[in-house]
Amino acid sequence: SYELTQPPSVSVSPGQTARITCSGDALPKQYAYWYQQKPGQAPVLVIYKDSERPSGIPERFSGSSSGTTVTLTISGVQAEDEADYYCQSADSSGTSPYVFGTGTKVTVL
Amino acid sequence: EVQLVQSGAEVKKPGESLKISCKGSGYSFTSYWIGWVRQMPGKGLEWMGIIYPGDSDTRYSPSFQGQVTISADKSISTAYLQWSSLKASDTAMYYCARHAVTTFNYFDYWGQGTLVTVSS
Repeated sequence: SYELTQPPSVSVSPGQTARITCSGDALPKQYAYWYQQKPGQAPVLVIYKDSERPSGIPERFSGSSSGTTVTLTISGVQAEDEADYYCQSADSSGTSPYVFGTGTKVTVL
Repeated sequence: EVQLVQSGAEVKKPGESLKISCKGSGYSFTSYWIGWVRQMPGKGLEWMGIIYPGDSDTRYSPSFQGQVTISADKSISTAYLQWSSLKASDTAMYYCARHAVTTFNYFDYWGQGTLVTVSS
């Protein structure tokens, strides 16, 4: 089955930049989406179609894509950004239109 | 305001049946697909299936096909996820989520989650 691979954890100091990668073979052909999940809460969409930001999401969240890797960047990290982040995309065959990445825990030091 | 409100936490024994719900409001319930996502304790997100309440067209992830049933009652703007015989391994948080109004596959609004605990 199709897999999206993320680093298990990323640590960053307040005010610095956090970069979270997501790798998958179908990413050159499929858009990626990013969700933030804080402890005990439901996921929240923070990036759609690789780099678009939903209304209400701070400008410090941005997304990019290059080949088989997409990246979520959090610029000027704040303590409130500490959370789990999941990428999501689709496989190329259409069998699994919603595949989630393995998840990355962002820790603000 | 778009809202998805899920039913409360459940504690069940292995072999029992269960149906949990997800009520949508603040938008046209019949015009958007609703998906279900599982999150096992301390683990990641897994897509289970999706339903279009307008005509009850339903798709399942191969991993969950035959294990659960997804349905909807458009007259009360509610989607359901049900099990006929629960297992301990069904213990998890279950989220419903609205598919965005687009041909691209992602969820723009999520319910608060329903915790299902299966234990003897």
